Amino acid sequence: GESVGLHLPTLSVQEGDNSIINCAYSNSASDYFIWYKQESGKGPQFIIDIRSNMDKRQGQRVTVLLNKTVKHLSLQIAATQPGDSAVYFCAENKGDYKLSFGAGTTVTVRA
Amino acid sequence: DTEVTQTPKHLVMGMTNKKSLKCEQHMGHRAMYWYKQKAKKPPELMFVYSYEKLSINESVPSRFSPECPNSSLLNLHLHALQPEDSALYLCASSQVTGGYEQYFGPGTRLTVT
Repeated sequence: GESVGLHLPTLSVQEGDNSIINCAYSNSASDYFIWYKQESGKGPQFIIDIRSNMDKRQGQRVTVLLNKTVKHLSLQIAATQPGDSAVYFCAENKGDYKLSFGAGTTVTVRA
Repeated sequence: DTEVTQTPKHLVMGMTNKKSLKCEQHMGHRAMYWYKQKAKKPPELMFVYSYEKLSINESVPSRFSPECPNSSLLNLHLHALQPEDSALYLCASSQVTGGYEQYFGPGTRLTVT
């Protein structure tokens, strides 16, 4: 079935480096995508979102890129910090309030 | 206030028990959700309430019974659960119109013995 997925289950990053987390989706009708961060023992926390009529959106230290041609979504984190260690989920809006989550990427920041 | 609160944080119950999970938000959101999350897996949608009415039930077994007493509160009543129902139960809320951004609570860690 159509779903959102992530390329890599884990990512290890040196503190201070930039992180790139990737996500592939297959539902070309999806019009909205979200990135969530989930720390251990907590609920998912909204990071940034993007609509399908955009290619790029920037937040504080984060940038989301959307490539509709290849159905690819990425999250870039600048100057990764220890507090960025978490599981990152991409999610797509499938209409009627439904969010479909990808499998998640666990980011570990090395000191 | 962008907070969704959930109680209790942890719950251990036997298979014959009846318990309830509670969720509250004061952001004026009129859509509220229950998700189930197993370890190292993404959240899975269970129920959606829109304007206090159940709009989506993702074929959840009847041993889970949701309730939305008012626009700020969401309950999940549990009865005769199975050990495989042990999971993190997440509540979320969002505006009905406009963006689809959902705000999540911290979850209730449920263990069924």
